[in-house]
Amino acid sequence: KAGVTQTPRYLIKTRGQQVTLSCSPISGHRSVSWYQQTPGQGLQFLFEYFSETQRNKGNFPGRFSGRQFSNSRSEMNVSTLELGDSALYLCASSLGNPGQVNEQFFGPGTRLTVL
Amino acid sequence: GNSVTQMEGPVTLSEEAFLTINCTYTATGYPSLFWYVQYPGEGLQLLLKATKADDKGSNKGFEATYRKETTSFHLEKGSVQVSDSAVYFCALSSSNTGKLIFGQGTTLQVKP
Repeated sequence: KAGVTQTPRYLIKTRGQQVTLSCSPISGHRSVSWYQQTPGQGLQFLFEYFSETQRNKGNFPGRFSGRQFSNSRSEMNVSTLELGDSALYLCASSLGNPGQVNEQFFGPGTRLTVL
Repeated sequence: GNSVTQMEGPVTLSEEAFLTINCTYTATGYPSLFWYVQYPGEGLQLLLKATKADDKGSNKGFEATYRKETTSFHLEKGSVQVSDSAVYFCALSSSNTGKLIFGQGTTLQVKP
């Protein structure tokens, strides 16, 4: 069974640009969550999508957005990039069954560098 | 709000030494607790979990017990190996959805 895949693995952008990251969950998983990992702030929750609907949202500015498609694949978008957006962006998928403890499987991440 | 606090690293041990990484949490209700491990250049892998008080999670020789009275979930291993060198994250979920709250991570280095 294929794991969670993220593309691209590495990305370099300049300030003011926008970027789109992609995540393909494990087959059969309906929940996709996104996290930002930085040395200073650690791992922070961005948002979760379940069956194409945003189910949870972290404390990030509106420049960070996401969506989920009918095949459960998800994208996140960051507009007007800032230097502080440089981070490892991790995607996690799970079955997402409401009210249950769903094991989350993480992808390898996309390393974004903003110059 | 909910939060997780881990002991600061790095932790450096010799092979076959005993490992403890402390983790305490603050949460309303009854969260589920997790330990994740991150090897260099990789994403996170679930190491073990516990979903209610007094539960013990275990995997690959690692153990952690959900202690509600001390709001703790300390990770232990009796004999570490060089291959255990990684960053370990304690996390909680209070909503049983995709939102995990992580501690800051503890780097473990095991020397031969």
